[in-house]
Amino acid sequence: EPEVTQTPSHQVTQMGQEVILRCVPISNHLYFYWYRQILGQKVEFLVSFYNNEISEKSEIFDDQFSVERPDGSNFTLKIRSTKLEDSAMYFCASQTRTGLETQYFGPGTRLLVL
Amino acid sequence: AQTVTQSQPEMSVQEAETVTLSCTYDTSENNYYLFWYKQPPSRQMILVIRQEAYKQQNATENRFSVNFQKAAKSFSLKISDSQLGDTAMYFCASRETSGSRLTFGEGTQLTVNP
Repeated sequence: EPEVTQTPSHQVTQMGQEVILRCVPISNHLYFYWYRQILGQKVEFLVSFYNNEISEKSEIFDDQFSVERPDGSNFTLKIRSTKLEDSAMYFCASQTRTGLETQYFGPGTRLLVL
Repeated sequence: AQTVTQSQPEMSVQEAETVTLSCTYDTSENNYYLFWYKQPPSRQMILVIRQEAYKQQNATENRFSVNFQKAAKSFSLKISDSQLGDTAMYFCASRETSGSRLTFGEGTQLTVNP
């Protein structure tokens, strides 16, 4: 069964460094998402992406964050200058089309900012 | 804006017994989608069941079923014949038809005891 994959599974970085989290969505999916989950807290929406542009973003998704689909298969989340509070689990999700269609989640990348 | 509330941080059930997890939500829209996701210790988010708000019939998926009460804005999950593998964090989530983001509740940690 096709699945969403994410790399790396874990990343440790120093405060102020840039990180890029990578996702490979399911191949025939058209909608892509990033969510994050700070330890012990709710899963929070960051951004959705469709037709090579951001379709919706949350108040968390400020200028430090950017997303890109560079080559038609990968979907990346870049954090330009990481802060301690960016430490979280980051989930990528994809969906074939809108409506009731399920968002399929990847296994997540655990980011730790020191 | 949507909100989702799960008032039970933890629950436990004996293997083979039935358990119900509660979820309430709030939305300004008349049509929307509701979901239950499971997050086992691996942290991957797995869809359990989904429901369209305009459908009165409660969704069922094998041992999982929901009790959807639209007027009360309640969407509880019933797990029958609980199995050890059901031990996980369960998240209730909603999505308005006008948007793409999932809004999650706080989660309920379910433990199935042998």
